[in-house]
Amino acid sequence: AQSVTQLGSHVSVSEGALVLLRCNYSSSVPPYLFWYVQYPNQGLQLLLKYTSAATLVKGINGFEAEFKKSETSFHLTKPSAHMSDAAEYFCAVITNFGNEKLTFGTGTRLTIIP
Amino acid sequence: ETGVTQSPTHLIKTRGQQVTLRCSSQSGHNTVSWYQQALGQGPQFIFQYYREEENGRGNFPPRFSGLQFPNYSSELNVNALELDDSALYLCASSSSGTQETQYFGPGTRLLVL
Repeated sequence: AQSVTQLGSHVSVSEGALVLLRCNYSSSVPPYLFWYVQYPNQGLQLLLKYTSAATLVKGINGFEAEFKKSETSFHLTKPSAHMSDAAEYFCAVITNFGNEKLTFGTGTRLTIIP
Repeated sequence: ETGVTQSPTHLIKTRGQQVTLRCSSQSGHNTVSWYQQALGQGPQFIFQYYREEENGRGNFPPRFSGLQFPNYSSELNVNALELDDSALYLCASSSSGTQETQYFGPGTRLLVL
């Protein structure tokens, strides 16, 4: 079965520091990968997605992620953290083509230290 | 262009009752997916509807059922509620096609007592 694993349920970084949220996937076929953000008491907002085009994907709010097949990873980064980045981040994968079921990781809560 | 909307925002039910949650898809979208997000967990896929037909189902019992209407809005029905059904229920709409982004609504928070 296809899945994603997010390493670190909680990550804290100082304002202005690098943000790195880790996601590894397991899939027997080339995956489509997504990062979503969830602010408190809200739904999910798409940050970026990888659909087998460029391996370095740029998203909204200064986030980007790099697809590395050799490492089965799709880590999310942002060069400089902002207080408004504090939220829950979910990595997700689609591999069941024809049925666009998203399989989510367990999430990483990002805290920004002033 | 309006986004995905869900109603109600919050709901309290007692064990054994039935509940209906509603979702209006984004304009131009013909596919609706429902997810259950328990506290502290990632969303879990319940089922998907495409042009009024169920198009895939996750590992949920039959007491979870759904409908999609000709205007592509959708309902999620849960019968015989259990305490473990307490969760945030998220609806997502999209155009058909695997590469298409799923756009999520704000969710309905259900509490079963």
